[in-house]
Amino acid sequence: AQKVTQAQTEISVVEKEDVTLDCVYETRDTTYYLFWYKQPPSGELVFLIRRNSFDEQNEISGRYSWNFQKSTSSFNFTITASQVVDSAVYFCALSEAWSGTYKYIFGTGTRLKVLA
Amino acid sequence: GAGVSQSPSNKVTEKGKDVELRCDPISGHTALYWYRQSLGQGLEFLIYFQGNSAPDKSGLPSDRFSAERTGGSVSTLTIQRTQQEDSAVYLCASSLGTVNTEAFFGQGTRLTVV
Repeated sequence: AQKVTQAQTEISVVEKEDVTLDCVYETRDTTYYLFWYKQPPSGELVFLIRRNSFDEQNEISGRYSWNFQKSTSSFNFTITASQVVDSAVYFCALSEAWSGTYKYIFGTGTRLKVLA
Repeated sequence: GAGVSQSPSNKVTEKGKDVELRCDPISGHTALYWYRQSLGQGLEFLIYFQGNSAPDKSGLPSDRFSAERTGGSVSTLTIQRTQQEDSAVYLCASSLGTVNTEAFFGQGTRLTVV
C-alpha cells in the first residue's frame, strides 16, 4: 500500500543550526515520484522539489538539500544554517505511476520552528 | 489566472446547511485535486479530476460530499447537511496531469461549522 511517514511531528532548532526532516515512503510501484512542500503560517503550500524513482542523485538548492535512498525508502530534507523564515510545516508526498490517478499521498508533516 | 484561486477564503455555516466551495485552477492544468486539512493534521485526499471526469473519488468521506468540474476548469465541492466534523481547511490543487509533475495549491477555504 502507498504510504508516507514523517515521524517527526515537531522540531525546534536555534537559528543557524542544520536540521534534517525525515521522510519514509512505501510503494509497490517501480516508477514513482517524491515531493516536498512547505506550508508557511500563511497556509498556502509551496512546492520545493520533485524527484523520480530512477534518479538517486542528491540535490542541493542553496541552503536546501535532499537525500534520496531507495534502499531505505527515504527522501530526507536538510536545511543548512536554518533561518527564522524557514519556520513552517513541511510535507513529503508520493505519487505513483501505476495507480493512473496521479494523486499525491502526503505525510502528516513536520512542524519546524527556528528560534532566533 | 496566475495561480489556483479558491473562494470563499472563509466560510462559517450552521450545522445542517449545505455549502459550496469553489476552485479555479491554473489555466491549462488538466488535473484538479481536492484535499482536506483538519487543524494541525496532514492533507487528506478527497477527489481527483482529469478533465471533467473524476477517476478517483475514493477519499470522499461520505455521500454528503460531492464535487463536479465543468469545462475542464472550475470545480465545485459541495457538502450537504454539514456536520461539525466537516470543519477544516479545504485545499484545491491543479497540475498538468501527468505523474511526474507537481501540484500547485490554492490558499484554501477555511470551513467552520457551528
